[in-house]
Amino acid sequence: DIQVTQSPSSLSASVGDRVTVSCQASQDINNYLNWYQQKPGQAPKLIIYDASNLEPGVPSRFSGSGSGTEFTFTINSLQPEDFATYYCQQYGDLPYSFGQGTKLEIK
Amino acid sequence: EVQLVESGGGLVQPGGSLRLSCTVSGLTVSNNYLNWVRQAPGKGLEWVSIIYSDGTTYYADSVKGRFTISRDNSRNTVYLQMNSLRGEDTAVYYCAREYVTGPYGGGFDSWGQGTLVTVSS
Repeated sequence: DIQVTQSPSSLSASVGDRVTVSCQASQDINNYLNWYQQKPGQAPKLIIYDASNLEPGVPSRFSGSGSGTEFTFTINSLQPEDFATYYCQQYGDLPYSFGQGTKLEIK
Repeated sequence: EVQLVESGGGLVQPGGSLRLSCTVSGLTVSNNYLNWVRQAPGKGLEWVSIIYSDGTTYYADSVKGRFTISRDNSRNTVYLQMNSLRGEDTAVYYCAREYVTGPYGGGFDSWGQGTLVTVSS
């Protein structure tokens, strides 16, 4: 099974900051990685698919990069509505797996 | 507009069974990949199962042999039959459509609101 290691587990930042989250897969998954945002009491929301493609309707301050085993998720110029938990997810092989999550909190 | 609505959650004793439903509108379940994902209270997301458009199914090791995913095309609904339930199965269960962008699948672009399953005596 493919393990996905996400870091950091939590992050404190201010409005206007730039933040980065990393995800490492235990084996090569090409670009088969997605990023989700989840707010308390809500279902996850797809933000980035296939490592670097922005889901329609998602603001351009969100971006993703990487391929193989190393991936990065970035939010430029944080907005108040961005404070949430973010997860990466691989679909390069079954069983699918999620990262442990990164809780982004207001400093 | 695509909508997924889960139902069927509730309180069940250890060893018991429950069937979750995911009723879909705005797309045809038989033409799509549908997944179940769960989230234990205060924890992260865990992928549970998938049913492909061709009817093939796959499960996480943690539920294999106990859970069964199926669909009813006439009702445009996907089910998750859960047997031999354990305390560690307590979670919010989400169904999610996987939008295929490559040879292996894609992102989960549509989600239901989730249904809570609590396994306790």
